[in-house]
Amino acid sequence: KQEVTQIPAALSVPEGENLVLNCSFTDSAIYNLQWFRQDPGKGLTSLLLIQSSQREQTSGRLNASLDKSSGRSTLYIAASQPGDSATYLCAADQTGANNLFFGTGTRLTVIP
Amino acid sequence: DADVTQTPRNRITKTGKRIMLECSQTKGHDRMYWYRQDPGLGLRLIYYSFDVKDINKGEISDGYSVSRQAQAKFSLSLESAIPNQTALYFCATSDGGQGDTDTQYFGPGTRLTVL
Repeated sequence: KQEVTQIPAALSVPEGENLVLNCSFTDSAIYNLQWFRQDPGKGLTSLLLIQSSQREQTSGRLNASLDKSSGRSTLYIAASQPGDSATYLCAADQTGANNLFFGTGTRLTVIP
Repeated sequence: DADVTQTPRNRITKTGKRIMLECSQTKGHDRMYWYRQDPGLGLRLIYYSFDVKDINKGEISDGYSVSRQAQAKFSLSLESAIPNQTALYFCATSDGGQGDTDTQYFGPGTRLTVL
C-alpha cells in the first residue's frame, strides 16, 4: 500500500521568504503527484498536478518537482505572503484511476 | 454558486442511527469520490464512481454505502453510525480526462460527530 509522508507537520516563516515543502512516497509506480491547499473550514483546492513523465510544474509563485526514483516531491513557494497560510497536502495517484493517497499535510503560517 | 456542494455541513448523531450525506455538482463531471479526513491520518478514499453504473470501493469502505442517483449526485450512507466514524467527510469530482485535466474538485466538507 502506498504511504505518503509530509515533513514538517508545521512551518512558520516571515513574509517574503522562499520556502520548500516536502512530500515522500513509498511506491514509485505512480501516475501523477498532486498538491492541494486546504484552508480552515473549507475543502481542498488543487494547486499543481505533475504527471509521472514530468519533472516539474509551475503556477505563478508555486513550483512543484517530482523525482519518482527517489520517491520525492517538493513544493516551492516563492516570496511567501500571509495569504499563503494554509495546510498543504500532497497526494499520489497510484492506479491512474485518480485513487489518491494523501499525506497528512504541512500547516504553513506566513508571519506578516 | 459553488460547483460542488455538500449537505449537511455539520451533523451530530447518535450511535446506531442511519445517516446520509449528500453531494451535488454542477461541473458536469463523470467521476465522483467520497473521502474522510481524520487528524493525523490525512484523507482516505471511501468510495468512488466513474459514472452512474460504475461504483467502486476505496481504501476504507467498511461501514459505508453509496448511491449515484444521477451524474450530478453522489450520496454516502452510514447504515449504523459508530463513534469512530466521527470525521470530516469530503466529496470530490473530476472529469476523468487524461494528463493535467484529471484534477479533483472538492466540496466544503461535512463535519460528522457520532456520540
